[in-house]
Amino acid sequence: GENVEQHPSTLSVQEGDSAVIKCTYSDSASNYFPWYKQELGKGPQLIIDIRSNVGEKKDQRIAVTLNKTAKHFSLHITETQPEDSAVYFCAGGTSYGKLTFGQGTILTVHP
Amino acid sequence: GAVVSQHPSRVICKSGTSVKIECRSLDFQATTMFWYRQFPKQSLMLMATSNEGSKATYEQGVEKDKFLINHASLTLSTLTVASAHPEDSSFYICSGREWGEKLFFGSGTQLSVL
Repeated sequence: GENVEQHPSTLSVQEGDSAVIKCTYSDSASNYFPWYKQELGKGPQLIIDIRSNVGEKKDQRIAVTLNKTAKHFSLHITETQPEDSAVYFCAGGTSYGKLTFGQGTILTVHP
Repeated sequence: GAVVSQHPSRVICKSGTSVKIECRSLDFQATTMFWYRQFPKQSLMLMATSNEGSKATYEQGVEKDKFLINHASLTLSTLTVASAHPEDSSFYICSGREWGEKLFFGSGTQLSVL
């Protein structure tokens, strides 16, 4: 089955800086890679996703890049704000199958 | 994005009690529902997948007689923890998918078994 590794486990940045979270996956059949933001005591919220036929996708301050050859994908958050502080999860899987989640990254943005 | 309403948000019960958690997709038809379990500061562990009108498919190591999943309609799925014990205490989250790829999550249920 799929195995998704996520790094770093914690990330601390100053407000306005950029944050990058990286994930690798093992199953070359995986073609769908979403990113979720989870705040304390709440369910994960989809923030951006990418399919394997696309190398990069951007939505305002958030971007995701995918390298199929190396089997890794990354989340980039620019101009970070304190409200970006949360746990971020990457996930990988096939488009209509189940997803495997990374271990999570605790992002702290200091004012 | 689509909304999945999950209730209750928190349950405290005595050991041996059965607990039912409900998830409703409010503005889409969830052809597939996934149920996850999450321990503090850990990732989401898939427990089972259910398609509307079919029996749920459980992940390895998940007791189907303990965690009863019903997905009788396109907008409602329930997870019943039968005869809950302290080791069942956890954060349970559902997610629904319509026809596309995107998963939409409920807000989670914190179960504490005394």
